[in-house]
Amino acid sequence: GNSVTQMEGPVTLSEEAFLTINCTYTATGYPSLFWYVQYPGEGLQLLLKATKADDKGSNKGFEATYRKETTSFHLEKGSVQVSDSAVYFCALNAGNNRKLIWGLGTSLAVNP
Amino acid sequence: DGGITQSPKYLFRKEGQNVTLSCEQNLNHDAMYWYRQDPGQGLRLIYYSQIVNDFQKGDIAEGYSVSREKKESFPLTVTSAQKNPTAFYLCASHKRGEWSMSTDTQYFGPGTRLTVL
Repeated sequence: GNSVTQMEGPVTLSEEAFLTINCTYTATGYPSLFWYVQYPGEGLQLLLKATKADDKGSNKGFEATYRKETTSFHLEKGSVQVSDSAVYFCALNAGNNRKLIWGLGTSLAVNP
Repeated sequence: DGGITQSPKYLFRKEGQNVTLSCEQNLNHDAMYWYRQDPGQGLRLIYYSQIVNDFQKGDIAEGYSVSREKKESFPLTVTSAQKNPTAFYLCASHKRGEWSMSTDTQYFGPGTRLTVL
């Protein structure tokens, strides 16, 4: 079946450090891939997405490239800020019923 | 501004009581979803509805019920049959149609935190 695996957190970084949050997936066909972000006490917001192999999604300095050969969609940011502290969720959609398959989330804490 | 509203933000329930969580959207989206979020478990799908007057069980529907009488509204009732209802509940919506760059994003409300006393 379809599944998403994210690296476990929490991840703790200093401001301006480089961030990578790993996400790998298992899916039939050609899924769309997403990163959502959840700030403390809030709902989820779409951060970026990619809908076909080799696409790169980007937003707010974050990037992720859809790698079909490694079934990965790793999230990266070159220089994190304290305001990036949040929980990040990787998700995929591979079916016709519009249901998203979610990773467990990775908590990021950025210290000044 | 278009968006999804959930109310209340915090809800306290005594054991044995049913409670209803509100979710309203003015995005003209066809599909709506209810998720439950527990620490360390990510999001789990409770119910979803693709169109008015139709809904399907998600992965953890036991102890919950929903209705979809209007396109804009998808209330969730947490019944006394739900053994461990304390959690953060998120409502989301999605525009039905062909999957494309413009339509394959789920939009989320701010959530309701339910605590059983």
